[in-house]
This record gives sequence, C-alpha cells and structure tokens, in this order.
Amino acid sequence: AQSVTQPDIHITVSEGASLELRCNYSYGATPYLFWYVQSPGQGLQLLLKYFSGDTLVQGIKGFEAEFKRSQSSFNLRKPSVHWSDAAEYFCAVGVDMRFGAGTRLTVKP
Amino acid sequence: NAGVTQTPKFQVLKTGQSMTLQCAQDMNHEYMSWYRQDPGMGLRLIHYSVGAGITDQGEVPNGYNVSRSTTEDFPLRLLSAAPSQTSVYFCASSYHLSGAIDEQFFGPGTRLTVL
Repeated sequence: AQSVTQPDIHITVSEGASLELRCNYSYGATPYLFWYVQSPGQGLQLLLKYFSGDTLVQGIKGFEAEFKRSQSSFNLRKPSVHWSDAAEYFCAVGVDMRFGAGTRLTVKP
Repeated sequence: NAGVTQTPKFQVLKTGQSMTLQCAQDMNHEYMSWYRQDPGMGLRLIHYSVGAGITDQGEVPNGYNVSRSTTEDFPLRLLSAAPSQTSVYFCASSYHLSGAIDEQFFGPGTRLTVL
C-alpha cells in the first residue's frame, strides 16, 4: 500500500545544533516529494520540493533535503537550528498528496 | 492575490446539524483539496478536485460532500455533524502536473467543534 512514514513523532534539539527529520515513502515509482512546515495555529508552508534531477534540494530558511532512491527516503536537514524553527514538519508525496503524521520539533535554548 | 481563503475560522455545531465550509482561491489552480488535521494523524485527504465539475474521494470521505462549479470555489458540506468530525479543516490548491500534484497552497484553516 502507498504510504508516507515519519518515524519520529517528537524531536528536541538545542539551539545551534544540527537537525535531521526522517521521511520514508512506499510508492511504485519515484514520486514528487515535499516538506511542509506548520507553525502553531497556522496553515502549512512549503519548505522545499523534489521532482527530479539533483537529489540534494535546497529550500527556504536554510533547510535542505536529500532524496535517496535506494532507501525510499527524503530526509530534511538543517546544519544549525534556530529557536524560530520550532514547529511541526510534514513530509508529503505528490501522487495523491498523502502526508506523513508529522514530526514536532522543540528547540531548547 | 488573496491566495486561499477559508470561512469561517471557528465553528461550533450540535450533533446532527449541517453546515458548509467555504474555500476560494484566486490563483487559477486546477487542483483543490480538503484535509482534516487531527493530533498525531497528520493531514488526511477528504475530497479533491482536478477541475470544475470533477470531484473525487480521498482517504476519509464519509460524512462529507463537495462540489466544484467554478475553478475558484470548492465548498465542503457536512451533512449531519458528528463529534468524530471535530477537527481542523484545511483547504488547499495547486497546479496539476500530468497526474501529479505540485506545491499546494493552504488556507488558514477552520476549527470545527461538534458537541
């Protein structure tokens, strides 16, 4: 069955530390892949997307993601987290726009 | 451009009541969708539309109806509200690329409580 999995429900990192949020998908072909961010009480905003080509994708706010076909993964990374990055992050697949359950990020001062 | 607008922002219903959540976009997007967001479950697709006059069911369509008479508007109707429909509802729109969906633009959401 087609699915999108975000294994980490909640992650806490210290401000300035690096971040990696995991996303795995199960689809027959390489789908379009997205990462969205949702700040408390807000709608969703696109961070970055992958359609084809270079497997390392740069997004807004200093985020990047790497598509790994062999692992069916599209993990989100940031080298140095800021307190304003605290939010919920969603991975999504563009075939039927199925979303993962989300990862809530807490940033410690 | 206003983007994607949703009304109302908040709504309280009693069990059995019906209501319509409004959604409009001014970006001329072919694709529009409705999601519900519940804690720990991410966003689940209720219904979607790939163009005026065309709608289809998503993951959780039961208890909801939609129509798409124009490109701009995509209302979601709750036929007989139930407490299980208490949720935050998001409308979104995007371009539709040869069977795949591009970046979706989301509305601000409607928080619905059913008593």
